[in-house]
Amino acid sequence: DGGITQSPKYLFRKEGQNVTLSCEQNLNHDAMYWYRQDPGQGLRLIYYSQIVNDFQKGDIAEGYSVSREKKESFPLTVTSAQKNPTAFYLCASSINSQETQYFGPGTRLLVL
Amino acid sequence: GQNIDQPTEMTATEGAIVQINCTYQTSGFNGLFWYQQHAGEAPTFLSYNVLDGLEEKGRFSSFLSRSKGYSYLLLKELQMKDSASYLCAVGASGNTPLVFGKGTRLSVIA
Repeated sequence: DGGITQSPKYLFRKEGQNVTLSCEQNLNHDAMYWYRQDPGQGLRLIYYSQIVNDFQKGDIAEGYSVSREKKESFPLTVTSAQKNPTAFYLCASSINSQETQYFGPGTRLLVL
Repeated sequence: GQNIDQPTEMTATEGAIVQINCTYQTSGFNGLFWYQQHAGEAPTFLSYNVLDGLEEKGRFSSFLSRSKGYSYLLLKELQMKDSASYLCAVGASGNTPLVFGKGTRLSVIA
C-alpha cells in the first residue's frame, strides 16, 4: 500500500531533551512538509523540502531541525531550544509544491 | 502577502445543506484545495479547483471564482459524521508550499 507514515503516535519529552519524529513516504513524492497544530488552531509550517538534500524554513522553524538524506524520509528533531513543544505534529508529502498534499496520521508530543 | 479567510465556526442541522466560504489574497494562483479534518486526526483531501465553476463529488461540491478570489465548499444532506474542521488552501506560486487557512469548525446537530 502506498502512503505516508509517522511514528510514534505519542511521544513524551523531558525538559532539555531533544526528540526526533519520523516521517516516511512511499508515494515517490519529491516534496515533504512538517506542520505543527495546537489545540483548536490551524496548521503552521515548520520546514519543507522540495528535493533530496535541500530544505527551507517555514513560518516557525526556531527550535526545530530537519534532514532530507533520502527521498522517502524527512525526520524532524524538536530541540531543547523549543520552549513550548507540546503540540500535534503532522507530516505531509506531494508530487511538487503546488500539488495536493497528503498527510500522515500525526505524532502527538507531550512534555513531562 | 498571502491571506486566506474562512469563518471560524458554523453550526448546521442534520439533513440540511451548509456552505463554507473561503476568500483569498495571494501573490499568484495555481489552484485551491479543500481538506476535511476530524478532531485528533490528520487532514484528508476533499477537492481541488483550478478553473472557475463548480466541481461536484457526491454530497460535496466546491466552487471557485478566480476574479473574486472566492471559493465555497457545499455539503448536502448533512450527517453527524460531517462534524469536522474544513481547511481551505491555495497554491500561490511556483516554488512555495500551499497556504492554508485556519479552518472552519463545523458542528452538525440533530
